[in-house]
Amino acid sequence: DTGVSQDPRHKITKRGQNVTFRCDPISEHNRLYWYRQTLGQGPEFLTYFQNEAQLEKSRLLSDRFSAERPKGSFSTLEIQRTEQGDSAMYLCASSSPPGSGANVLTFGAGSRLTVL
Amino acid sequence: GIQVEQSPPDLILQEGANSTLRCNFSDSVNNLQWFHQNPWGQLINLFYIPSGTKQNGRLSATTVATERYSLLYISSSQTTDSGVYFCAPRTGANNLFFGTGTRLTVIP
Repeated sequence: DTGVSQDPRHKITKRGQNVTFRCDPISEHNRLYWYRQTLGQGPEFLTYFQNEAQLEKSRLLSDRFSAERPKGSFSTLEIQRTEQGDSAMYLCASSSPPGSGANVLTFGAGSRLTVL
Repeated sequence: GIQVEQSPPDLILQEGANSTLRCNFSDSVNNLQWFHQNPWGQLINLFYIPSGTKQNGRLSATTVATERYSLLYISSSQTTDSGVYFCAPRTGANNLFFGTGTRLTVIP
């Protein structure tokens, strides 16, 4: 078990470009979460998957944002037409199914996005 | 969503000192985690504590769910304890709600 992996760790892009982040959860975890954290704030929930189904989306997830988890394993978060306000740390977390013990979220190291 | 207030917002300690961080939340919770975010941004889970008291080395946590607060105790602080501590409760929904954190600086 190597924990939750995120790639890339850092991304610098120009305004208007598209970016994609990848998250590989802990292998036995069927739940996967995306959060966004801006400077000086706590993480804010973006979206959540159970297996391949996207069950919940935050209002923060504008139509420029899309997340997928096609086979219930890794997930991608894509931001189209990036804006400077998208600059943030994008955090992925995973957890085990309910009833299998403490429903603890484990976070990856994050992907830091800078939009110039 | 649930409102989370953490205090103090900033804390500076001399190495070896003890401290208590507080987290108040606005609704009943069925899950609460405490995290430490290190200077590189990694969120490390410290405790899963929806109720009761747990201890792990120099750290301990207590959640009184009926009174909607949780406390994190740090004893004999070390410089490696520096960082931001987040409380993150969850209600019936599936996501954690984070406060703005307590930024701890431990000076030698």
